[in-house]
Amino acid sequence: DAMVIQNPRYQVTQFGKPVTLSCSQTLNHNVMYWYQQKSSQAPKLLFHYYDKDFNNEADTPDNFQSRRPNTSFCFLDIRSPGLGDAAMYLCATSREDRGLNEQFFGPGTRLTVL
Amino acid sequence: AQKVTQAQTEISVVEKEDVTLDCVYETRDTTYYLFWYKQPPSGELVFLIRRNSFDEQNEISGRYSWNFQKSTSSFNFTITASQVVDSAVYFCALSEALDDYKLSFGAGTTVTVRA
Repeated sequence: DAMVIQNPRYQVTQFGKPVTLSCSQTLNHNVMYWYQQKSSQAPKLLFHYYDKDFNNEADTPDNFQSRRPNTSFCFLDIRSPGLGDAAMYLCATSREDRGLNEQFFGPGTRLTVL
Repeated sequence: AQKVTQAQTEISVVEKEDVTLDCVYETRDTTYYLFWYKQPPSGELVFLIRRNSFDEQNEISGRYSWNFQKSTSSFNFTITASQVVDSAVYFCALSEALDDYKLSFGAGTTVTVRA
């Protein structure tokens, strides 16, 4: 089945220790998104790629970076995680970055910062 | 300003009861899209429906139905004869033409269906 895969499902890191979360998709979609979802809150868009074009949200901290080496994979790098970065990180894809295209989400990676 | 408001934080029902989730949105665009997503305890957001601003027809899919009313800027979601498997957080979201890649989510409504 075509899908969005996120690894790992659970990640524990130490305060200040860089961490990378990965996302892959078999849908061959042009757009990949990263969302942060804190407990009992709505998902918040961090950035997205349209093909190789990176689009950062204005309020995304510099501590968060992303890479998309090819169509299938996208990575979220947190350079120096703080306690406030503990959250669920959701990856999503869509065929195009037009509103009529629904986004397909992966199962998420739950990040714990010690 | 909040673009999507889901006033109900939590709803608890007994199995087989109907439950309606309210969603009120705010936009100045004439072209926009509305979505409902389900987030079960496993965490994955599951797409349920998309509706564009020019299509006010209500929709029914099995036990799910949606009522879109532009006059009140509402896009409500009803689960008929609820089941335990319907227990989840439900998010309403808006995508506007000016920022049409961006989903603005409501705060979500947690639905608990008790056996």
